[in-house]
Amino acid sequence: NAGVTQTPKFQVLKTGQSMTLQCAQDMNHNSMYWYRQDPGMGLRLIYYSASEGTTDKGEVPNGYNVSRLNKREFSLRLESAAPSQTSVYFCASSAPFVSYNEQFFGPGTRLTVL
Amino acid sequence: RKEVEQDPGPFNVPEGATVAFNCTYSNSASQSFFWYRQDCRKEPKLLMSVYSSGNEDGRFTAQLNRASQYISLLIRDSKLSDSATYLCVVARSNDYKLSFGAGTTVTVRA
Repeated sequence: NAGVTQTPKFQVLKTGQSMTLQCAQDMNHNSMYWYRQDPGMGLRLIYYSASEGTTDKGEVPNGYNVSRLNKREFSLRLESAAPSQTSVYFCASSAPFVSYNEQFFGPGTRLTVL
Repeated sequence: RKEVEQDPGPFNVPEGATVAFNCTYSNSASQSFFWYRQDCRKEPKLLMSVYSSGNEDGRFTAQLNRASQYISLLIRDSKLSDSATYLCVVARSNDYKLSFGAGTTVTVRA
């Protein structure tokens, strides 16, 4: 099993450019999440999807959009990248959304916005 | 105030030593507690859950103090492979959301 996969692993953008970060999981998990991790700060939730067909904002959603394409895939889009969005982005998934279950993380995407 | 606060360290310890560190959380409604481990430039992975009565997993012992709102992690007989950043994670029982601390860095030297 691949677990949670993310593409790309690295990306450099210029201010104003757009891009989509892809995430897929093969564990049949209902819930999926997008986080960003910045130096000296904990992971912060950008958006989440409790189940296929639903998405909701997390702690820092501004400047991002998401799509839960199907049960396996959850993408994060930056419409107009800004230097403040330079970060490491992690996708995660977890089992049925009833109570807390372990979240499994992808390897991350390192994004630099110039 | 951050919801979860940790001493960033680093804690530099020799092999075989014991190292312990805490994290504090601000939301008294928090119900679930965890330690995740994150290696340099890698993704976080669950190390262990933290139960009210305290629990051990091999050389790792986790404790929860609800009255003072902190959890702790103790690593005995440290190995070089224990070098990592340890993330304190807190969740509310009625909410899937996790709150992450910024992490405590541990470096074990030979």
